[in-house]
Amino acid sequence: NAGVTQTPKFQVLKTGQSMTLQCAQDMNHNSMYWYRQDPGMGLRLIYYSASEGTTDKGEVPNGYNVSRLNKREFSLRLESAAPSQTSVYFCASTAMSYNEQFFGPGTRLTVL
Amino acid sequence: KNQVEQSPQSLIILEGKNCTLQCNYTVSPFSNLRWYKQDTGRGPVSLTIMTFSENTKSNGRYTATLDADTKQSSLHITASQLSDSASYICVVSDRSGGSYIPTFGRGTSLIVHP
Repeated sequence: NAGVTQTPKFQVLKTGQSMTLQCAQDMNHNSMYWYRQDPGMGLRLIYYSASEGTTDKGEVPNGYNVSRLNKREFSLRLESAAPSQTSVYFCASTAMSYNEQFFGPGTRLTVL
Repeated sequence: KNQVEQSPQSLIILEGKNCTLQCNYTVSPFSNLRWYKQDTGRGPVSLTIMTFSENTKSNGRYTATLDADTKQSSLHITASQLSDSASYICVVSDRSGGSYIPTFGRGTSLIVHP
C-alpha cells in the first residue's frame, strides 16, 4: 500500500496562476481532508469530504475549491493564486471520520 | 469557537530524560483526542487516540492521558531518544452534523540533545 500520495511535492506559482493539487489514497477510506500548515500555526482545515460525493468547507476555504473525483481521489484547486496561499498543503484520509487520520507527505507551494 | 492550546511551545531535553507535553481544549461536543508526531518535512503520524471514556493509552515509550472533566491531556515520553526530536500535535475532534471535525493545536517542538 502506498497510503496517501500527493502530487506535486513542490510548486512555485506566480500571483494569479491556477493549479490543482492531487491527492489519492489506496486504503479504501471514506473521508478525505485538505489542510494547510503555516509556520507557527496549527494545521487548518480547508475542505473535507466525509464520503464520496460530498464536500464541505472547513476553517479556511476562501480561495480554494475541491473535487471528490471518486472514493480514492480528492483534489484541491487554486483558481487564482495569491501570496497568502504560500504554505505546505497536506491531504489526509480516514476509514471512518473518528478514526486515525493518515497524512500524505505534503505539497510545498510558493506563490510569488 | 473550538480551541486547542498546547504547552510548552518548545522544549529541549537531554537524551534519556523523560518529558511531559500538555494539551488543553475547549471542543464541544467532544468526540476524541489524538496525539500526532510530525518530523520535519513530513506529514503527521498518529501516536495515540482516546475517546471520552479512556483515561490513558500507551504506545511504546509514549503514554497519553485524558481528563475529560478538566478538558486536559498530556503526552509523556519516557527515556527520550534523538529520534524523538519532532513536533507533537494535539488534535481534538467534535462531531458536527454527522461528521467529525478536528481542531489542531499549534504543536510542541521537542529537541532531544545527545
